[in-house]
Amino acid sequence: AQTVTQSQPEMSVQEAETVTLSCTYDTSENNYYLFWYKQPPSRQMILVIRQEAYKQQNATENRFSVNFQKAAKSFSLKISDSQLGDTAMYFCAFGRVVQGAQKLVFGQGTRLTINP
Amino acid sequence: KAGVTQTPRYLIKTRGQQVTLSCSPISGHRSVSWYQQTPGQGLQFLFEYFSETQRNKGNFPGRFSGRQFSNSRSEMNVSTLELGDSALYLCASSYGTGVNEQYFGPGTRLTVT
Repeated sequence: AQTVTQSQPEMSVQEAETVTLSCTYDTSENNYYLFWYKQPPSRQMILVIRQEAYKQQNATENRFSVNFQKAAKSFSLKISDSQLGDTAMYFCAFGRVVQGAQKLVFGQGTRLTINP
Repeated sequence: KAGVTQTPRYLIKTRGQQVTLSCSPISGHRSVSWYQQTPGQGLQFLFEYFSETQRNKGNFPGRFSGRQFSNSRSEMNVSTLELGDSALYLCASSYGTGVNEQYFGPGTRLTVT
């Protein structure tokens, strides 16, 4: 079974700083997807960024980028120029297709606080 | 498009009772997944429905069940509630083919006393 590990339960940085959230996963599969989801306080979970395992190029979405190391099974999220609105729980997720259906496994989450 | 909606948003039940939660997916989405979120266990997958059929199931006891209707709306039922069932229950919808983005609802906060 796949497992996803986020080793940093909590992180705190100053506004405008760069912060990196760690995620490692365990799988014997070759075709899969990786996601970072953001859950702001009392708000809905939204997708931040996704990475297809077959793509070597790291995904980027504005201030958010990933460092995908397939051999090391590592998938970290870098937030540049952090903003107060980035304060949230961040979940790393591993996804693959099982018998035609998508199955996601989430990490335990990292609570990120951006301080003014 | 309207987002994923879940009703009710908050519920308080006592041990032994049963509860039904509802989820309306985004229009056009045929897949609905359910997750249980607790501080200790994080996000755990309950089950996924696609075109009224359960395609995937997590490791939860049979007290947890679900169904999906022809309009893709889904319900989740928990019977014989236990204190440990207190959690935020999230549903997420997607098109359901391959691996694509899941859109989450606001959740139903269930408290069992």
